[in-house]
Amino acid sequence: AQSVTQPDIHITVSEGASLELRCNYSYGATPYLFWYVQSPGQGLQLLLKYFSGDTLVQGIKGFEAEFKRSQSSFNLRKPSVHWSDAAEYFCAVASSGTYKYIFGTGTRLKVLA
Amino acid sequence: EAGVTQFPSHSVIEKGQTVTLRCDPISGHDNLYWYRRVMGKEIKFLLHFVKESKQDESGMPNNRFLAERTGGTYSTLKVQPAELEDSGVYFCASSQVLWEQFFGPGTRLTVL
Repeated sequence: AQSVTQPDIHITVSEGASLELRCNYSYGATPYLFWYVQSPGQGLQLLLKYFSGDTLVQGIKGFEAEFKRSQSSFNLRKPSVHWSDAAEYFCAVASSGTYKYIFGTGTRLKVLA
Repeated sequence: EAGVTQFPSHSVIEKGQTVTLRCDPISGHDNLYWYRRVMGKEIKFLLHFVKESKQDESGMPNNRFLAERTGGTYSTLKVQPAELEDSGVYFCASSQVLWEQFFGPGTRLTVL
């Protein structure tokens, strides 16, 4: 069965520091991968997605993610975190057939001033 | 263009009562999805509509949950009777192009 693992439940970084959020997936075929962010009181917003092609994907708000098939990973990165990045981040993989998303448990990011 | 909207944003009910959640997808989106997040857990798929037809309802927990999509536009998710374990955040999403879903802000349901 498909699954997504986000091993870090909470991460705290200082403003201006770099960030990497981990995501590992289990999926038989080439997955469609996504990162979403949920800010307090807001809905889920798509940061970026990977379908095929270049394995380094650029997203909104200065985020990027790299698809590594050999490691079954799709880690999210940002070179310099801003206080407004404090939120919860979700990695998801799309399932074939019904196109339903399978989400990880989320990583809550705290940014120190 | 308006995004996916959900109503209400919060609902607090007592065990045994009925609650109906509403989702208005982005205009023109044929695909509509319901998901649920129980506190501390992952967001889980409930069901998928294509227009007014249920394409996949494999994630619906039990027969206390009933989802409808009238005329292929808005959708409702009714929980009757509500149980304590139904508490969580219910998300709706819509898409026109498959593989890219747009999510609403969610409805936080608390069952006391």
